[in-house]
Amino acid sequence: QSVLTQPPSASGTPGQRVTISCFGSSSNIGSTDVNWYQQLPGTAPKLLIYSNSLRPSGVPDRFSGSKSGTSGFLVISGLQSEDEADYSCTAWDDSLDGWVFGGGTKLTVL
Amino acid sequence: EVRLVQSGAEVRRPGESLKISCKGSGYNFDAYWIGWVRQMPGKGLEWMGIIYPDNSDTRYRPSFRGQVVISVDRSVTTAYMQWSSLEASDTAIYYCARFGAPSFRGGYFDFWGQGTLVTVSS
Repeated sequence: QSVLTQPPSASGTPGQRVTISCFGSSSNIGSTDVNWYQQLPGTAPKLLIYSNSLRPSGVPDRFSGSKSGTSGFLVISGLQSEDEADYSCTAWDDSLDGWVFGGGTKLTVL
Repeated sequence: EVRLVQSGAEVRRPGESLKISCKGSGYNFDAYWIGWVRQMPGKGLEWMGIIYPDNSDTRYRPSFRGQVVISVDRSVTTAYMQWSSLEASDTAIYYCARFGAPSFRGGYFDFWGQGTLVTVSS
């Protein structure tokens, strides 16, 4: 069982807006930044959002992130078929003294 | 271009040893921590440990301490992870990743290797 809690699945149709949540606690998201990774089928994770809301170079601005209290959120606007992937959140955990991940959310584009 | 290239898939029997590698290029290898992350079949990502190539400072997730050894050879800009006695439960994809932030808290892994599939079966 993962320390950070994500819904196992999400879905949307092309053009829609989808939000993926990531619930943590005071020892992780509540005291530090959330980062998000995208993992296309059969590939390695790719940094999608860092420091709660920043996008690395090359990531479309359709992807945005936010944090509120002990929760992080990834929003994908204008959903596209190529967005079908697994999305995972992560944060530093003071109790573990290391990084914890969510279990991942499999996004399906209908 | 930053690249992390991992060694190929491995098949081992329970009790056997294994060492997998992760070669970094395109950046100052000594100056960035390299982490290892496990992904068991159909499961999420799990951080295992991290090493700083410049001085080999290594940190482990408690559940992996004593189970794996992380090391580095600066002369070939390569990080390693090894097992002395594999178990079937070690079957997973193992990723190396560069830690790209100035501090652990709030930091992130910005570049990832392609992953090494390790299969342990009798």
